[in-house]
Formats: sequence, structure tokens, C-alpha cells
Amino acid sequence: EAGVVQSPRYKIIEKKQPVAFWCNPISGHNTLYWYLQNLGQGPELLIRYENEEAVDDSQLPKDRFSAERLKGVDSTLKIQPAELGDSAVYLCASSTGARNTGELFFGEGSRLTVL
Amino acid sequence: KNQVEQSPQSLIILEGKNCTLQCNYTVSPFSNLRWYKQDTGRGPVSLTIMTFSENTKSNGRYTATLDADTKQSSLHITASQLSDSASYICVVSAVDYKLSFGAGTTVTVRA
Repeated sequence: EAGVVQSPRYKIIEKKQPVAFWCNPISGHNTLYWYLQNLGQGPELLIRYENEEAVDDSQLPKDRFSAERLKGVDSTLKIQPAELGDSAVYLCASSTGARNTGELFFGEGSRLTVL
Repeated sequence: KNQVEQSPQSLIILEGKNCTLQCNYTVSPFSNLRWYKQDTGRGPVSLTIMTFSENTKSNGRYTATLDADTKQSSLHITASQLSDSASYICVVSAVDYKLSFGAGTTVTVRA
């Protein structure tokens, strides 16, 4: 069974440029998460989806970040314009449902470097 | 203030030795606690889950403990191997299903 797939794995852009990350969760997983992870830190939630609905986006910087999960499967996270402080790893995770003890399955992450 | 604190921040051990990682939390009301292992350049992978009624759980050479009264958990690695070099993250779930992540402990195993 395929795991959570993310792309691109690495992205280097100049500040003020746009960037987009894509995530394909495990088949059948209704809950999808986007996390930001800085070096030496734990993941920080950006947004959580239950199917197509963004049920927790309180930590998403909406002035420059946007996300969508069309048809409740794949998801895209966009940053426009990128700032130097956005350099980090963006992790996507999925689970069978937030309302259980189910574990999160993470992708390998997309490492963003903003110059 | 983070609701999940892990210690030490990092440690170095020799191959074959044991080590113990600590996780203290203030998340309440508590639902469960998971330990994840994150290899460099990879996403975290779950090692164990501890619920309120569980005190100890093992997964191979990994043994997790939970004291729900003192809100402390530990992860013990026995007979460490080079492949144990990774970051270990403690994640606590509240009954409202919100997850709180610790900053992780970076373990380096040297031959």
C-alpha cells in the first residue's frame, strides 16, 4: 500500500516568489493535515481537513498561505509571496479520522529554502 | 508555553547501550500519548501509543511508560543500534482530539 506522497521533495525559491506543495494521502484516509517543521522542532499544525472541509485553520497565516483539498483527496498548500522565514519542511499527514486514537501517517516532507 | 516538554534535547550514546527519553505534558483532559521516530529527511513514524490505563508498552527494543498522575512518559531504548539514530517526538492527544507535539529528542548512536 502506498504511503502519503508529497512533492516536490525540495524547492529553492527567491523571496516574494510563489510556491506550491502537493500531497496525496493514503487511500481511504478522510483526515489530512499540513504541518510546518523547523529544524530541531516538532511539527506545528497549519491546517486540518476532514474530507473537503478545513476544520482547523487557526494557525494558517492566511495573508500569504492558502490550502485546498478538492474532492476530499489530494491537497495543495500554497505560499504567495514567500518570505525568508518560510524556509522549513512542510509535512503532510493523513489518518482514518481525527476522532479516534488513530495514528498519523506522514509523508517525507517538502523542504523549502527561500533565498 | 508548549504543553509537551521533552528532555534531553539531544544525546549521544555508544552502540549497544541503553537510553531513556522523557516527555512531560500538561495537556488536559488527556486521551492518549504517542511516541514517533523521525529519521533524518523523513516523516515521523509511530512507535507506540499509550492510553490512560496503560503503564508500559513495548515495541521490540523500544519500551514506553506512562504515569498519568504525574503526566510523564518515557521511552527506553535497549541495546541501541546505529539505526536508532533519529529524532523521537512525543505527541499528546486531548479528548477534543487536538494534538500537541514536543520538540523532540535527537538521539545519535555511535559505533
